[in-house]
Amino acid sequence: GENVEQHPSTLSVQEGDSAVIKCTYSDSASNYFPWYKQELGKRPQLIIDIRSNVGEKKDQRIAVTLNKTAKHFSLHITETQPEDSAVYFCAALYDKVIFGPGTSLSVIP
Amino acid sequence: EAQVTQNPRYLITVTGKKLTVTCSQNMNHEYMSWYRQDPGLGLRQIYYSMNVEVTDKGDVPEGYKVSRKEKRNFPLILESPSPNQTSLYFCASRYRQAGGTQYFGPGTRLTVL
Repeated sequence: GENVEQHPSTLSVQEGDSAVIKCTYSDSASNYFPWYKQELGKRPQLIIDIRSNVGEKKDQRIAVTLNKTAKHFSLHITETQPEDSAVYFCAALYDKVIFGPGTSLSVIP
Repeated sequence: EAQVTQNPRYLITVTGKKLTVTCSQNMNHEYMSWYRQDPGLGLRQIYYSMNVEVTDKGDVPEGYKVSRKEKRNFPLILESPSPNQTSLYFCASRYRQAGGTQYFGPGTRLTVL
């Protein structure tokens, strides 16, 4: 069935360092992979997405890479700041959106 | 302003007392869904709807009902709430086409005593 795994479940980095979150998906039928950021007490919000016809996409300090052969995709945050602290969810779109279990990122000032 | 709204935002109720959480979107999205979020379990889909009068079960549909009589509204109904339905609930919507951005409502925190 359709499943998305996400690692690590928690991640602490020093301010200014990079953070990487990795996801794998089970069913190759998906062509769309969004990433959501959820701050404490708030709704998930889309921060970046990637479609299967590209291997990498960047938006300022955030980048996402996709390896369709290996069914892996990753979120990279460079020059982390305290406001990057949140829970991050990867997802894959099939008939419905399947979310990974989330990664709690803490950026230590 | 494009948005998904939910009401109420907070609700404390007792076991067995029927309740409805409303969800409305103003973006003419075909696809709407409900999720519950529990600590350590991420976002789990309860029900979804691809269009008016079309609904399907998600991963955790037991104890919930939905309806989609109008395109903009997708209420979540708990006929007989139980304490294990205490959770944070999110409604979401998007265009049905692949790759459409999914927008979330602000969330409803439900406590069932």
